[in-house]
Amino acid sequence: KAGVTQTPRYLIKTRGQQVTLSCSPISGHRSVSWYQQTPGQGLQFLFEYFSETQRNKGNFPGRFSGRQFSNSRSEMNVSTLELGDSALYLCASSLAVGQLNTEAFFGQGTRLTVV
Amino acid sequence: AQSVTQLDSQVPVFEEAPVELRCNYSSSVSVYLFWYVQYPNQGLQLLLKYLSGSTLVKGINGFEAEFNKSQTSFHLRKPSVHISDTAEYFCAVTRNTGNQFYFGTGTSLTVIP
Repeated sequence: KAGVTQTPRYLIKTRGQQVTLSCSPISGHRSVSWYQQTPGQGLQFLFEYFSETQRNKGNFPGRFSGRQFSNSRSEMNVSTLELGDSALYLCASSLAVGQLNTEAFFGQGTRLTVV
Repeated sequence: AQSVTQLDSQVPVFEEAPVELRCNYSSSVSVYLFWYVQYPNQGLQLLLKYLSGSTLVKGINGFEAEFNKSQTSFHLRKPSVHISDTAEYFCAVTRNTGNQFYFGTGTSLTVIP
């Protein structure tokens, strides 16, 4: 079956602009989480959605937001981009929440460059 | 709160030699432990996980890890590495409340021919 699909793979934006990244989870998966990966800070949790509801949120400013649709696809949005937002953004999906043996499958990521 | 420490940022090793990548965690509650691998310009791929049961966990590509509760460690091992094992390796923990993973800073494994 198809894996986690993130679009676009690469993106270049200018400071002050906003950007929307998309994540399509594996068919049947209802939980989607987002991570930011940078050389300096490593992998940091952004937020998690389950059944269209945000369950957890990491320590990021309000410029970072997300949502999940009824088909479990998720988008994240970053407004008023800053140079420091340049990163690889990874999406992970899993079948359910709170169950043993739940495995998170990661997409290939979206590489965002802010200039 | 949970945190993960990967003690080695870079590990060079010769092909066919054994390797151990170290991971220590701290948590006030029970956690579940994972090792992921990341190849250049790729996402994360699960190598193995510890949820419960036997403390020795076997994963893909010949990797294994041992959960040591008293030492709060989850070190990754492979008896004989291959060139194709060159990648970044991440140790992670999560509680059973969702997909909020706490990752270590990663260990870059370079296999030398």
